[in-house]
Amino acid sequence: KQEVTQIPAALSVPEGENLVLNCSFTDSAIYNLQWFRQDPGKGLTSLLLIQSSQREQTSGRLNASLDKSSGRSTLYIAASQPGDSATYLCAERGSARQLTFGSGTQLTVLP
Amino acid sequence: DAGVIQSPRHEVTEMGQEVTLRCKPISGHDYLFWYRQTMMRGLELLIYFNNNVPIDDSGMPEDRFSAKMPNASFSTLKIQPSEPRDSAVYFCASSLIATEAFFGQGTRLTVV
Repeated sequence: KQEVTQIPAALSVPEGENLVLNCSFTDSAIYNLQWFRQDPGKGLTSLLLIQSSQREQTSGRLNASLDKSSGRSTLYIAASQPGDSATYLCAERGSARQLTFGSGTQLTVLP
Repeated sequence: DAGVIQSPRHEVTEMGQEVTLRCKPISGHDYLFWYRQTMMRGLELLIYFNNNVPIDDSGMPEDRFSAKMPNASFSTLKIQPSEPRDSAVYFCASSLIATEAFFGQGTRLTVV
């Protein structure tokens, strides 16, 4: 059974800091990996998708990387802002094509 | 496209009643997922469909839960009878095989 782990569970940083969120997965036959953002009481918003053949994807201040050999992905947020405060979830699209989520990292950016 | 549409947004029902949650996926998407989210267990995959066919329903917690996808533009998740422990936010998502999955806004279910 696929497992996805996110560490840390919570993170608090001062505004302006660069930060890295971690995601690890067990399925070596990963198809793609997706990062989402969830604000309190809201749905999930897609941030970045990395196909298994790719090493990284960038969107604005966000950069996501994928290392299949180590079973890891990272989400890098540059110059963090209070508006970045949310829960960030990674999800692996596995060999059976289902989407398995980690438990998320709750990020707080302090002004 | 209006995105993935779920209804109702909120549902409050009494224990023992039947509850039906509805989902309209993005047009053209051939994968549809149903998830349940709680504080204790996070996001749990309940069932997913490919081309309207259920592929894996191993996440459905009990026989009280059932899901159907009669056509490419509509799916339902039914709970009968409902219990207080079913209270959660239920999400529907859709995608193509190689593209991003998009989520609906969810249905917040409260069973009293």
